[in-house]
Formats: sequence, structure tokens, C-alpha cells
Amino acid sequence: QKEVEQNSGPLSVPEGAIASLNCTYSDRGSQSFFWYRQYSGKSPELIMFIYSNGDKEDGRFTAQLNKASQYVSLLIRDSQPSDSATYLCAVSLSGGSYIPTFGRGTSLIVHP
Amino acid sequence: NAGVTQTPKFQVLKTGQSMTLQCAQDMNHNSMYWYRQDPGMGLRLIYYSASEGTTDKGEVPNGYNVSRLNKREFSLRLESAAPSQTSVYFCASRSADYQPQHFGDGTRLSIL
Repeated sequence: QKEVEQNSGPLSVPEGAIASLNCTYSDRGSQSFFWYRQYSGKSPELIMFIYSNGDKEDGRFTAQLNKASQYVSLLIRDSQPSDSATYLCAVSLSGGSYIPTFGRGTSLIVHP
Repeated sequence: NAGVTQTPKFQVLKTGQSMTLQCAQDMNHNSMYWYRQDPGMGLRLIYYSASEGTTDKGEVPNGYNVSRLNKREFSLRLESAAPSQTSVYFCASRSADYQPQHFGDGTRLSIL
């Protein structure tokens, strides 16, 4: 069974620190990788997507993809209390219509 | 710029009642999706429509039906609601394979 795994957390970091969120996937043919942020009671909001090995930076966020090791990570620099949310990893698995499969999410708490 | 619009936002039903959840997108996206989200379970795909005129089952289709009315609209119907269908339902759309999904605000459905 093709799976996307995330540590449920919570991951607690102090304000100003780097938060590192990890996601592993089982399907080596996966092509597209997405990170969503979801505040409590709200809908998922796209933060970043990455297709190629390496790093992709957008402001305080960096997505890192390593297809050989089958993991994708999200780094949040200078973490703020407003970053406190659940972060969902989604992976478009090979085959079919490349529908993204979601991990269960990691809860991040940034404390002042 | 509305994006993905879901109605209603909240609904309470009695067991055995039927209802239709509505979803419309104004981004000219080809693909549309219905997910449910339960505590600790992440987002699970109910049905999807890869293009106008087509629909397919996802991971948890039992008890649901869908209609892709046109390119903009994708509805989800519960014919005979059960307490196990109490959940938050999200509609999403995307323009093409490999692209990220965009989510509506969700419908919070309680079945008594």
C-alpha cells in the first residue's frame, strides 16, 4: 500500500528557531510533493510545492526533496507563534491520475 | 476572487436524512475532489472528477454519490446519512496533474 508518513507531534519550538517538519513516502515513482498549512477549524492552505531533488526556498520556508531516500521536509526559519498549525504533506503517487495522498499531519507549536 | 466555494458551511442531519453538499470553482480547473477529514485520520479521498463528464471512486466512497454538473460544479450527495458520516468535508480543485490542489473552506456535517 502506498503511504505518506508524518510524525504527528506536537513539535514544539521557541519563537525565532528553525522548525523542521519531515515526511516520508513509500512510492518511488512519486512525482509531485506539496506542503499545506492548516489552522484549527480552517481548510488546508498551500505553502509550497516541489518537483525536483534539492531545495526550494520561498521567504521563511524551504522545502527539501530527496527522492533517493524518499523523504521531503519543510523548514521554517525564524518561527513565529502565528506559524502554530498542523502541516500536511501530500505526495502525488505514480499511476492513475496522480491524485495526491495526504499524510496525517504534524502539529507545530511555536511558543514565545 | 472566490476560488473554491462550498455550501453549506454547517449542517446537522438526523440519521437517514439525505442532503447534497455543493462545490463550485471559478479557476477553470479540470479536476475536482471531495475529501473528508476526521480527527487523527487526515484527509481521505471520497470521490474525484478528473475532467468534466467523469467521476471515480476514492478511498472511502461507500455511502456517497457525486455529480460533476459542469466544469465549475461538483456535488456530493449523502442518500441516507449515518452517524459515521459526521465529519468535515472539503472540496478541492486543480488545473492539471502535478499541480497543487486548492481547497474550499469546508462543510462541517453532524449526523445525529
